[in-house]
Amino acid sequence: QKEVEQNSGPLSVPEGAIASLNCTYSDRGSQSFFWYRQYSGKSPELIMFIYSNGDKEDGRFTAQLNKASQYVSLLIRDSQPSDSATYLCAVSPSGTYKYIFGTGTRLKVLA
Amino acid sequence: GAVVSQHPSRVICKSGTSVKIECRSLDFQATTMFWYRQFPKQSLMLMATSNEGSKATYEQGVEKDKFLINHASLTLSTLTVTSAHPEDSSFYICSAGRGANTEAFFGQGTRLTVV
Repeated sequence: QKEVEQNSGPLSVPEGAIASLNCTYSDRGSQSFFWYRQYSGKSPELIMFIYSNGDKEDGRFTAQLNKASQYVSLLIRDSQPSDSATYLCAVSPSGTYKYIFGTGTRLKVLA
Repeated sequence: GAVVSQHPSRVICKSGTSVKIECRSLDFQATTMFWYRQFPKQSLMLMATSNEGSKATYEQGVEKDKFLINHASLTLSTLTVTSAHPEDSSFYICSAGRGANTEAFFGQGTRLTVV
């Protein structure tokens, strides 16, 4: 089992819809969770981080964390074509400086 | 967010030469920096963890003598690809965090092409 798993996609959603991206992780001791967006040929940029169970909202983005089920998700409301990118989930095990990345989910928002 | 600057953004070198890539944290001190490589349509692969003032920790399968990492200060880490070969052509990205379990910020990446 991979440490951080994501569906590679592509996930296609129409413009204006909600895009839902999911990520599961294997280390129960993980403490910090991050979502990054990566456009083709560019380096990842941080979208959100979440540390506690529940939801965290920032503009059109909502991160959801469920430590008991070991999953973290990212919702993108009112999806725009400019949101089309690969979304990387990253997990940081407790007490470490390391980040373990999933393989990413490619999102396509159709105009 | 914090700023991490990586230079150069693109480099083309001849096979057998060495290339140095710099990674700087501009507005914070980074005790730890990370070096990744990414092949087209693949995910990030962690190569090594760079610790200020000590030797880097390399991931399994990464040749430490080929990928030399130096973390001379709290704001600068360098990756030198020695005796580069065409198979070393890739996208190299550094990142730095402000502390354990906090968010990491990425440099712009360096696209290395070895001809």
